[in-house]
Amino acid sequence: EADIYQTPRYLVIGTGKKITLECSQTMGHDKMYWYQQDPGMELHLIHYSYGVNSTEKGDLSSESTVSRIRTEHFPLTLESARPSHTSQYLCASSDGGAPNTEAFFGQGTRLTVV
Amino acid sequence: GESVGLHLPTLSVQEGDNSIINCAYSNSASDYFIWYKQESGKGPQFIIDIRSNMDKRQGQRVTVLLNKTVKHLSLQIAATQPGDSAVYFCAENLYSGGGADGLTFGKGTHLIIQP
Repeated sequence: EADIYQTPRYLVIGTGKKITLECSQTMGHDKMYWYQQDPGMELHLIHYSYGVNSTEKGDLSSESTVSRIRTEHFPLTLESARPSHTSQYLCASSDGGAPNTEAFFGQGTRLTVV
Repeated sequence: GESVGLHLPTLSVQEGDNSIINCAYSNSASDYFIWYKQESGKGPQFIIDIRSNMDKRQGQRVTVLLNKTVKHLSLQIAATQPGDSAVYFCAENLYSGGGADGLTFGKGTHLIIQP
């Protein structure tokens, strides 16, 4: 079982609120990722990080921001939530030192903006 | 852009039968492929992977086949069990230093197990 944790699991929030989705991993992985997934659909990469102080935007444009101050922590922030942000957000990590290794995923945060 | 897609959104099989889930990819430069299983309310879980220099790889009850000529990937699950019910995603990676930054996911196939 992967040691990567996301909180909260479920979040219902009003439009305009600022929210932060937490993600932590205890595997010492350098690489971390955020994916957005609508129900039954594929995962879309929105942010990733190669290590501390590294953040990059993914393939899917997102209004969210991320930070990587510590290796184990990769929070995602929405400054002003909108109903279009309603989705599932999945955090993942992988061993950046090894070529072609799988990513380990957290349980996800299901966000609903009303 | 390049994408990975699955042929069927839903696959229904009888318990005990073998399941075959197919995937077509379009990037001939991809060198690493992964199958993930995602159960309801959970994050994707790694099942099996295969590198482009292989055409078959076996795990416990699962086999992945890679046909680079037609850019086709399949996942075979032997003796399907109720616990196999999930959405299965294939993903491809164009090597860029490892990890999942190059992973492109398909839309997923929902495997339904009939009793």
